[in-house]
Amino acid sequence: EAGVVQSPRYKIIEKKQPVAFWCNPISGHNTLYWYRQNLGQGPELLIRYENEEAVDDSQLPKDRFSAERLKGVDSTLKIQPAELGDSAVYLCASSFAQGGAFFGQGTRLTVV
Amino acid sequence: KNEVEQSPQNLTAQEGEFITINCSYSVGISALHWLQQHPGGGIVSLFMLSSGKKKHGRLIATINIQEKHSSLHITASHPRDSAVYICAASGGGADGLTFGKGTHLIIQP
Repeated sequence: EAGVVQSPRYKIIEKKQPVAFWCNPISGHNTLYWYRQNLGQGPELLIRYENEEAVDDSQLPKDRFSAERLKGVDSTLKIQPAELGDSAVYLCASSFAQGGAFFGQGTRLTVV
Repeated sequence: KNEVEQSPQNLTAQEGEFITINCSYSVGISALHWLQQHPGGGIVSLFMLSSGKKKHGRLIATINIQEKHSSLHITASHPRDSAVYICAASGGGADGLTFGKGTHLIIQP
Protein backbone atom coordinates (compact mmCIF):
# COMPACT_ATOMS: atom_id res chain seq x y z
CA GLU A 1 0.00 0.00 0.00
CA ALA A 2 1.33 3.46 -0.85
CA GLY A 3 2.17 5.66 2.09
CA VAL A 4 1.56 9.37 2.44
CA VAL A 5 2.77 11.05 -0.73
CA GLN A 6 4.01 14.62 -0.80
CA SER A 7 5.24 16.76 -3.62
CA PRO A 8 7.47 18.39 -4.46
CA ARG A 9 10.32 16.97 -2.37
CA TYR A 10 12.38 20.11 -2.69
CA LYS A 11 11.50 23.66 -3.64
CA ILE A 12 13.63 26.77 -3.91
CA ILE A 13 11.88 30.09 -4.45
CA GLU A 14 12.65 33.74 -4.12
CA LYS A 15 11.04 35.68 -1.30
CA LYS A 16 7.66 37.24 -2.05
CA GLN A 17 6.86 34.43 -4.49
CA PRO A 18 3.98 32.01 -3.90
CA VAL A 19 4.49 28.30 -3.30
CA ALA A 20 2.19 25.33 -2.90
CA PHE A 21 2.68 21.87 -1.43
CA TRP A 22 0.52 18.85 -2.12
CA CYS A 23 -0.27 15.85 0.06
CA ASN A 24 -2.06 12.62 -0.74
CA PRO A 25 -2.83 10.75 2.49
CA ILE A 26 -3.22 7.04 2.97
CA SER A 27 -6.54 5.85 1.60
CA GLY A 28 -9.24 5.85 4.25
CA HIS A 29 -7.38 8.09 6.69
CA ASN A 30 -9.80 10.77 7.78
CA THR A 31 -7.32 12.87 9.76
CA LEU A 32 -4.68 14.88 7.92
CA TYR A 33 -2.00 17.04 9.48
CA TRP A 34 0.37 19.66 8.12
CA TYR A 35 3.50 20.28 10.19
CA ARG A 36 6.39 22.69 9.80
CA GLN A 37 9.81 21.70 11.03
CA ASN A 38 12.54 24.27 11.44
CA LEU A 39 16.15 23.17 11.51
CA GLY A 40 17.02 21.50 14.80
CA GLN A 41 13.45 21.53 16.06
CA GLY A 42 10.64 19.05 16.28
CA PRO A 43 7.70 19.48 13.90
CA GLU A 44 5.02 22.00 14.86
CA LEU A 45 1.40 21.57 13.89
CA LEU A 46 0.08 24.07 11.38
CA ILE A 47 -3.36 22.63 10.69
CA ARG A 48 -5.34 19.46 11.32
CA TYR A 49 -8.25 18.25 9.21
CA GLU A 50 -10.96 15.80 10.12
CA ASN A 51 -12.25 14.82 6.68
CA GLU A 52 -12.69 18.15 4.89
CA GLU A 53 -13.07 20.26 8.03
CA ALA A 54 -10.14 22.16 9.51
CA VAL A 55 -10.57 21.44 13.24
CA ASP A 56 -7.35 23.04 14.47
CA ASP A 57 -5.66 25.83 12.55
CA SER A 58 -4.68 27.94 15.54
CA GLN A 59 -0.98 27.82 14.62
CA LEU A 60 -1.45 28.60 10.93
CA PRO A 61 -0.21 32.11 10.03
CA LYS A 62 -3.37 33.07 8.22
CA ASP A 63 -2.03 36.26 6.73
CA ARG A 64 0.11 34.31 4.29
CA PHE A 65 -0.69 30.62 4.73
CA SER A 66 -3.77 28.84 3.47
CA ALA A 67 -4.75 25.21 3.21
CA GLU A 68 -7.56 23.22 1.76
CA ARG A 69 -8.70 19.62 1.71
CA LEU A 70 -11.38 19.34 -0.89
CA LYS A 71 -13.48 16.18 -0.72
CA GLY A 72 -11.63 15.16 2.42
CA VAL A 73 -8.78 13.43 0.60
CA ASP A 74 -5.84 15.33 -0.93
CA SER A 75 -4.69 18.55 0.64
CA THR A 76 -2.70 21.56 -0.48
CA LEU A 77 -0.81 24.03 1.67
CA LYS A 78 -0.01 27.42 0.14
CA ILE A 79 2.22 30.28 1.17
CA GLN A 80 1.75 33.66 -0.48
CA PRO A 81 3.98 35.58 -0.34
CA ALA A 82 6.85 33.50 1.03
CA GLU A 83 9.33 35.03 3.47
CA LEU A 84 12.89 34.01 4.28
CA GLY A 85 11.73 32.64 7.65
CA ASP A 86 9.43 30.19 5.93
CA SER A 87 12.41 28.03 4.96
CA ALA A 88 11.70 24.70 6.64
CA VAL A 89 10.55 21.16 6.02
CA TYR A 90 6.79 20.89 5.59
CA LEU A 91 5.47 17.51 6.63
CA CYS A 92 2.11 15.97 5.94
CA ALA A 93 0.77 13.11 8.01
CA SER A 94 -2.45 11.14 8.11
CA SER A 95 -4.14 8.83 10.55
CA PHE A 96 -7.38 6.90 10.99
CA ALA A 97 -9.42 7.64 14.12
CA GLN A 98 -7.06 7.32 17.13
CA GLY A 99 -4.47 5.34 15.25
CA GLY A 100 -0.81 6.18 14.75
CA ALA A 101 0.21 8.86 12.31
CA PHE A 102 1.95 8.05 9.06
CA PHE A 103 4.24 10.68 7.63
CA GLY A 104 5.12 11.73 4.13
CA GLN A 105 8.68 12.38 3.05
CA GLY A 106 8.23 16.10 3.51
CA THR A 107 8.91 19.09 1.29
CA ARG A 108 12.08 21.00 1.98
CA LEU A 109 11.42 24.65 1.18
CA THR A 110 14.25 27.12 0.77
CA VAL A 111 13.36 30.78 0.37
CA VAL A 112 16.18 32.95 -0.96
CA LYS B 1 -0.52 21.42 26.98
CA ASN B 2 1.85 18.46 26.89
CA GLU B 3 5.56 19.11 27.14
CA VAL B 4 7.84 16.51 25.60
CA GLU B 5 11.50 16.48 26.55
CA GLN B 6 14.16 14.34 24.94
CA SER B 7 17.70 13.56 25.97
CA PRO B 8 20.39 13.64 24.93
CA GLN B 9 20.09 16.28 22.23
CA ASN B 10 23.20 14.98 20.46
CA LEU B 11 24.84 11.59 20.74
CA THR B 12 27.95 10.26 19.02
CA ALA B 13 28.90 6.63 19.56
CA GLN B 14 31.07 3.92 18.07
CA GLU B 15 29.68 1.15 15.93
CA GLY B 16 28.44 -1.71 18.05
CA GLU B 17 27.58 0.34 21.12
CA PHE B 18 24.23 0.05 22.89
CA ILE B 19 22.29 3.29 22.44
CA THR B 20 19.59 4.72 24.71
CA ILE B 21 17.49 7.79 23.95
CA ASN B 22 15.08 9.05 26.59
CA CYS B 23 11.77 10.85 26.36
CA SER B 24 9.59 12.28 29.12
CA TYR B 25 6.22 13.95 28.87
CA SER B 26 4.19 16.02 31.27
CA VAL B 27 0.57 14.88 30.96
CA GLY B 28 -1.24 11.63 30.33
CA ILE B 29 -1.21 10.40 26.77
CA SER B 30 -2.93 7.80 24.65
CA ALA B 31 0.20 6.80 22.75
CA LEU B 32 3.89 7.56 22.45
CA HIS B 33 5.54 7.51 19.04
CA TRP B 34 9.17 7.06 18.15
CA LEU B 35 10.12 8.44 14.74
CA GLN B 36 13.28 8.36 12.70
CA GLN B 37 14.23 11.23 10.44
CA HIS B 38 17.00 10.97 7.88
CA PRO B 39 18.73 13.87 6.10
CA GLY B 40 16.26 15.39 3.64
CA GLY B 41 13.44 15.51 6.16
CA GLY B 42 11.46 12.35 5.59
CA ILE B 43 10.07 10.76 8.73
CA VAL B 44 9.56 7.07 9.34
CA SER B 45 7.41 5.86 12.19
CA LEU B 46 9.35 3.28 14.23
CA PHE B 47 7.00 2.50 17.09
CA MET B 48 3.70 3.49 18.53
CA LEU B 49 3.17 2.23 22.07
CA SER B 50 0.84 2.86 24.94
CA SER B 51 2.26 0.38 27.45
CA GLY B 52 5.08 -2.06 28.00
CA LYS B 53 7.69 -2.78 25.41
CA LYS B 54 7.99 -3.32 21.67
CA LYS B 55 10.86 -4.77 19.66
CA HIS B 56 11.66 -4.59 15.98
CA GLY B 57 14.99 -5.95 14.86
CA ARG B 58 17.70 -4.13 16.80
CA LEU B 59 15.31 -1.47 18.05
CA ILE B 60 13.49 -1.68 21.37
CA ALA B 61 11.03 0.85 22.76
CA THR B 62 9.73 0.88 26.31
CA ILE B 63 7.27 3.06 28.13
CA ASN B 64 6.48 3.59 31.81
CA ILE B 65 3.05 5.18 32.05
CA GLN B 66 3.32 5.96 35.78
CA GLU B 67 6.62 7.76 35.35
CA LYS B 68 5.61 9.35 32.02
CA HIS B 69 8.82 8.17 30.46
CA SER B 70 9.84 6.23 27.38
CA SER B 71 13.15 4.99 26.06
CA LEU B 72 14.36 3.93 22.64
CA HIS B 73 17.24 1.46 22.59
CA ILE B 74 19.41 0.42 19.68
CA THR B 75 21.48 -2.73 20.10
CA ALA B 76 24.65 -3.37 18.07
CA SER B 77 24.48 0.11 16.57
CA HIS B 78 25.58 0.64 12.97
CA PRO B 79 26.49 3.76 10.97
CA ARG B 80 23.24 3.42 9.03
CA ASP B 81 21.42 4.10 12.31
CA SER B 82 22.72 7.66 12.14
CA ALA B 83 19.64 9.89 12.03
CA VAL B 84 17.50 12.15 14.14
CA TYR B 85 15.20 10.27 16.49
CA ILE B 86 12.07 12.06 17.60
CA CYS B 87 9.55 11.11 20.23
CA ALA B 88 6.02 12.39 19.97
CA ALA B 89 3.09 12.13 22.33
CA SER B 90 -0.53 11.93 21.30
CA GLY B 91 -3.23 12.73 23.81
CA GLY B 92 -6.80 11.51 23.88
CA GLY B 93 -9.22 13.17 21.47
CA ALA B 94 -6.87 13.26 18.48
CA ASP B 95 -5.23 16.55 19.42
CA GLY B 96 -2.38 15.88 17.09
CA LEU B 97 1.13 15.05 18.14
CA THR B 98 3.40 16.96 20.49
CA PHE B 99 6.98 16.45 19.39
CA GLY B 100 10.25 16.47 21.24
CA LYS B 101 13.11 18.38 19.63
CA GLY B 102 14.84 15.20 18.56
CA THR B 103 18.10 13.44 19.28
CA HIS B 104 20.78 13.69 16.63
CA LEU B 105 22.56 10.32 16.63
CA ILE B 106 25.85 9.69 14.84
CA ILE B 107 27.33 6.21 14.80
CA GLN B 108 30.96 6.18 13.77
CA PRO B 109 32.51 3.14 12.11
